[in-house]
Amino acid sequence: AQSVTQLGSHVSVSEGALVLLRCNYSSSVPPYLFWYVQYPNQGLQLLLKYTSAATLVKGINGFEAEFKKSETSFHLTKPSAHMSDAAEYFCAVRDSGGSNYKLTFGKGTLLTVNP
Amino acid sequence: DTGVSQDPRHKITKRGQNVTFRCDPISEHNRLYWYRQTLGQGPEFLTYFQNEAQLEKSRLLSDRFSAERPKGSFSTLEIQRTEQGDSAMYLCASSLVVVGQETQYFGPGTRLLVL
Repeated sequence: AQSVTQLGSHVSVSEGALVLLRCNYSSSVPPYLFWYVQYPNQGLQLLLKYTSAATLVKGINGFEAEFKKSETSFHLTKPSAHMSDAAEYFCAVRDSGGSNYKLTFGKGTLLTVNP
Repeated sequence: DTGVSQDPRHKITKRGQNVTFRCDPISEHNRLYWYRQTLGQGPEFLTYFQNEAQLEKSRLLSDRFSAERPKGSFSTLEIQRTEQGDSAMYLCASSLVVVGQETQYFGPGTRLLVL
């Protein structure tokens, strides 16, 4: 079964600093990987997804992630943090068995942006 | 706004009462998923529908839970005889599956508090 581990439940950066949120996955087959963002009391919004095309995936709001098979990683980055980036971020892997495309999520990383 | 709506957004109930949540997916989306998110955790899969057929249920979905998607449009999730452990955010997601590809779009969620 697939699984996702997000390293660091809380990351704090200064406005303008690099954002790096870590995600490692476990999958016996080439995975489909996703990053979602959740603002307080809201649902999840898709940031970007990897579906076995280009290993560097660009998403919305200036975020990007790089798929590294050798490291089983899919870390999320943004060159310069904005205050509006403060939210919780979830990495997810899509189930590859059968026709159920359910997502398995990590526990999330809360990003705090300091002025 | 992803186009997926959920109602109500918040529900407070007493233990032992029944509750029902509604999800309206993006029109023409053929798949609908229910997830549950508890505090400090990522969403966990509960069940999903392909059109009106419920195809898989998680072990998390006890016999007190029932979901329907009549006519393949909106869906309802009912919890009977609620317990305090049912307190969580219930998220709905919809997608259009085309040639094995899909992106799940999440609604804002229904936050349930069982007293």
